[in-house]
Amino acid sequence: RKEVEQDPGPFNVPEGATVAFNCTYSNSASQSFFWYRQDCRKEPKLLMSVYSSGNEDGRFTAQLNRASQYISLLIRDSKLSDSATYLCVVNEGYSTLTFGKGTMLLVSP
Amino acid sequence: NAGVTQTPKFRILKIGQSMTLQCTQDMNHNYMYWYRQDPGMGLKLIYYSVGAGITDKGEVPNGYNVSRSTTEDFPLRLELAAPSQTSVYFCASREGVGSYEQYFGPGTRLTVT
Repeated sequence: RKEVEQDPGPFNVPEGATVAFNCTYSNSASQSFFWYRQDCRKEPKLLMSVYSSGNEDGRFTAQLNRASQYISLLIRDSKLSDSATYLCVVNEGYSTLTFGKGTMLLVSP
Repeated sequence: NAGVTQTPKFRILKIGQSMTLQCTQDMNHNYMYWYRQDPGMGLKLIYYSVGAGITDKGEVPNGYNVSRSTTEDFPLRLELAAPSQTSVYFCASREGVGSYEQYFGPGTRLTVT
């Protein structure tokens, strides 16, 4: 069974801190990788795709290490509004995605 | 566009009852999905569809049925509700091949007692 593993946290950080999450995946044939964000009692929403060369979107940086089969998400200058659960997501073939259980982030004043 | 809509938002069922969770998308997406999410757990795929008339089982299909008669609608049917089906159910859609982003509905919170 193909799996996506994440540290559930919670990660407790003060505002302004830098925090990083990692995720490992078991299917070496996976081609597409994503980070989704899920607020409490809400639906998941796409945060960013993860490209082989790494990519940045404002305060968020995602990186992929295919050799070690892990994906990372770095958040700089954390805001209170970043408090959420971050889901690591990997494609399985053309049709379906596999979601990790998520890493909870709590940003405090 | 409304995106992906789900009804009802909440429902309490007695053991053995049946119900249909509705899901509609107005983005003309080919692919649609049903997931369940238990507290503290990840999303688990129940069923999915790659187009009208085509459905396939996901990781946890037992106790559920689906149909896809139109592009827009993808209802999920629970025939004999059991306490193990207490969960939050999310419907999602995706444009198709080449685009992996899934758009989720707001979810249906189901309790079976």
